[in-house]
Amino acid sequence: NAGVMQNPRHLVRRRGQEARLRCSPMKGHSHVYWYRQLPEEGLKFMVYLQKENIIDESGMPKERFSAEFPKEGPSILRIQQVVRGDSAAYFCASSERTGGSETQYFGPGTRLLVL
Amino acid sequence: GQNIDQPTEMTATEGAIVQINCTYQTSGFNGLFWYQQHAGEAPTFLSYNVLDGLEEKGRFSSFLSRSKGYSYLLLKELQMKDSASYLCAVSGGGFKTIFGAGTRLFVKA
Repeated sequence: NAGVMQNPRHLVRRRGQEARLRCSPMKGHSHVYWYRQLPEEGLKFMVYLQKENIIDESGMPKERFSAEFPKEGPSILRIQQVVRGDSAAYFCASSERTGGSETQYFGPGTRLLVL
Repeated sequence: GQNIDQPTEMTATEGAIVQINCTYQTSGFNGLFWYQQHAGEAPTFLSYNVLDGLEEKGRFSSFLSRSKGYSYLLLKELQMKDSASYLCAVSGGGFKTIFGAGTRLFVKA
């Protein structure tokens, strides 16, 4: 029973390029959450998606960031025109249901480095 | 506002007991999670408290007092592999789970 999968595990981009981070939830999970973690800091909520729907994107910057969770395929977090401040670990988590009380299972993260 | 506070770092000795505290102020409350995160790895689920009281699971126990906005994680018989960050997280109003900055625990021989 595979857990949450994320790829790539490490991503290096130059300023101005685009970064695409992918997340495949656990089997049977239809709820996906994206978090950002800066060094020595906690996880910051970015966005919550169900299949084909963005439910809560209140933690996501208004510009350059977007997320999707298509009917088929993984969830994608897309960062356009990356800047050095985007360097962080991006974690995806999935849950079977929602309602706030569902345990979220985390993927291994994508570490983005912007040069 | 929403705020979760936990100590930044703690040090304890192998075989000992350590208590990691967490206080929270959130606009809503469904329950409180504790996660363990080793350096460079994903957070892994430890416990979830909804009701007041102590929940024990092997060497780890978690306590919650909703009236005081307070929780703690108790680790017994510490092992070197317990050296990690411990994240307190509150499932509040809506769909968000708010995470604290984490407590880095160093276990020394």
